[in-house]
Amino acid sequence: ETGVTQSPTHLIKTRGQQVTLRCSSQSGHNTVSWYQQALGQGPQFIFQYYREEENGRGNFPPRFSGLQFPNYSSELNVNALELDDSALYLCASSLTPDEQFFGPGTRLTVL
Amino acid sequence: KQEVTQIPAALSVPEGENLVLNCSFTDSAIYNLQWFRQDPGKGLTSLLLIQSSQREQTSGRLNASLDKSSGRSTLYIAASQPGDSATYLCAVCTTSGTYKYIFGTGTRLKVLA
Repeated sequence: ETGVTQSPTHLIKTRGQQVTLRCSSQSGHNTVSWYQQALGQGPQFIFQYYREEENGRGNFPPRFSGLQFPNYSSELNVNALELDDSALYLCASSLTPDEQFFGPGTRLTVL
Repeated sequence: KQEVTQIPAALSVPEGENLVLNCSFTDSAIYNLQWFRQDPGKGLTSLLLIQSSQREQTSGRLNASLDKSSGRSTLYIAASQPGDSATYLCAVCTTSGTYKYIFGTGTRLKVLA
């Protein structure tokens, strides 16, 4: 157990809809990163938030956005869902750069 | 651009065998390297983390080595068991800009009873 939780566990949406995924970091962890893992692939970095500001972004379009809150919770929002957005979404929290603690993930299916 | 490759993509071994999973990366400027286990449909379980200044880490039947200069890491599993069946992912933490993990595509391991 890493102390990082994510909700919901599973989610089904239709193409064009919007979705919000949630993550609760370990207390005191001021950095949260989000990753997308497509079936059969390794996770890919989406973006990172540090003290409520975006601190880096991978190769993902602007319809992927995030928020980080002072209470160590965060959100990943995806607008205009596409079929290829179907994946496992992982959040990871960290206090120091060298170790990220991963949550159990949210499985998103887009129909 | 950092790329991580894992070989083999899949492996099937009889119970009790010792085995080695390989990971290679293209840029030696890493902060650390971490091995994860992933069961089907589940999240990531961290197995071993090796800092860039370290050569190896051990936990129970698992031993991971790191050779930064050659861009290689190995995960050694001793006396494999059916419960070890899972996908094993290697990830490097990059030091360029944001600290983020770059993952390989994993090795899918099946240990036969």
